[in-house]
Amino acid sequence: DTGVSQNPRHKITKRGQNVTFRCDPISEHNRLYWYRQTLGQGPEFLTYFQNEAQLEKSRLLSDRFSAERPKGSFSTLEIQRTEQGDSAMYLCASSLAAGGPETQYFGPGTRLLVL
Amino acid sequence: AQKVTQAQTEISVVEKEDVTLDCVYETRDTTYYLFWYKQPPSGELVFLIRRNSFDEQNEISGRYSWNFQKSTSSFNFTITASQVVDSAVYFCALRGGGAQKLVFGQGTRLTINP
Repeated sequence: DTGVSQNPRHKITKRGQNVTFRCDPISEHNRLYWYRQTLGQGPEFLTYFQNEAQLEKSRLLSDRFSAERPKGSFSTLEIQRTEQGDSAMYLCASSLAAGGPETQYFGPGTRLLVL
Repeated sequence: AQKVTQAQTEISVVEKEDVTLDCVYETRDTTYYLFWYKQPPSGELVFLIRRNSFDEQNEISGRYSWNFQKSTSSFNFTITASQVVDSAVYFCALRGGGAQKLVFGQGTRLTINP
């Protein structure tokens, strides 16, 4: 059984550069979530998709951030003009919405360092 | 607004001791779900348990047990006979019935010393 996978696992970039992360959810999971976790804090919700539709975005998701899930399978999260404050762990999770309670399963995360 | 508070930032115990991690939550929803996740040093959040607001039965799974009390808005997690492999950061999380996002507490870093 393949879990949620994320690539790359680590990314170091210079301030002002653009970065893109990829998340592959558990097969057949129709919901996909992005969270951000800074050092010593719990994860904070950024956005989520049901199939290819982006249904909710947090105020944390500034206009420099964009997420897509073009075919309802994998998702990408892009950060444009990175800032040092963007340094964090970016976590992806997926779940199966089937009319009852759901559990979100998380990937290993992408750790971003902006120099 | 929904909020989860884990007042214990760090706990350190000796192996084989029992340890309880506290979680207090706030929500106006009548239907909601509570979760515990474990985050080992590798960074991946590992799902441990989900409880529904209408099910206050306590649950035991091996050395792990959970005490859910709506009267005090608490969902505490106890590890019995702790082991070094239990060392990790543990997060309590809340999902309101009408929402999809999880609201996490700040986490409790648990260190089990041999």
